[in-house]
Amino acid sequence: QKEVEQNSGPLSVPEGAIASLNCTYSDRGSQSFFWYRQYSGKSPELIMSIYSNGDKEDGRFTAQLNKASQYVSLLIRDSQPSDSATYLCAVPTYSSASKIIFGSGTRLSIRP
Amino acid sequence: SQTIHQWPATLVQPVGSPLSLECTVEGTSNPNLYWYRQAAGRGLQLLFYSVGIGQISSEVPQNLSASRPQDRQFILSSKKLLLSDSGFYLCAWSVGRDYGYTFGSGTRLTVV
Repeated sequence: QKEVEQNSGPLSVPEGAIASLNCTYSDRGSQSFFWYRQYSGKSPELIMSIYSNGDKEDGRFTAQLNKASQYVSLLIRDSQPSDSATYLCAVPTYSSASKIIFGSGTRLSIRP
Repeated sequence: SQTIHQWPATLVQPVGSPLSLECTVEGTSNPNLYWYRQAAGRGLQLLFYSVGIGQISSEVPQNLSASRPQDRQFILSSKKLLLSDSGFYLCAWSVGRDYGYTFGSGTRLTVV
């Protein structure tokens, strides 16, 4: 089992709808979780971090964490064409020095 | 505020030539520093990380090396480039794994 798993997509969502991106992780000891957005040809940008079970909202973005199920998700409300990008889930590893493990990313496409 | 600088933005090098990519961080002390590579359409591959001056950990044995001559400077090098070294090279910094990474703007390397 990969340490951080995401569906590669592409995920196609109509403009104005809710986009739902999912991620599972294997290390039950993980304490922090991150979502990065990467536009084509650009570097990843941190858009959300979550540390506690439940929901965390920031504008149109909501991160959801369920540690019991080892599951973290990102919801994007009122999807815009500018949200079209690859979204990377990232989880620190506690088995060695300060590293974060990245999922392979989900490519999201918002169609007009 | 903290900023990370990475250069050059693009580089075309012949097979067998040397490589030196530099990354510097401003506005923080003793950051954790990372070099990643992203092949076209692929995920992030951690190459090296450093938790202090002169301390380098290698994740994947390959044709590359890294050095940290100063607290906020991280250098990626190769003596002889291979075609397989082509990719998008990203430098990142962090104060700790539970705080996420901040990425530089990246260097797109094409070995011809």
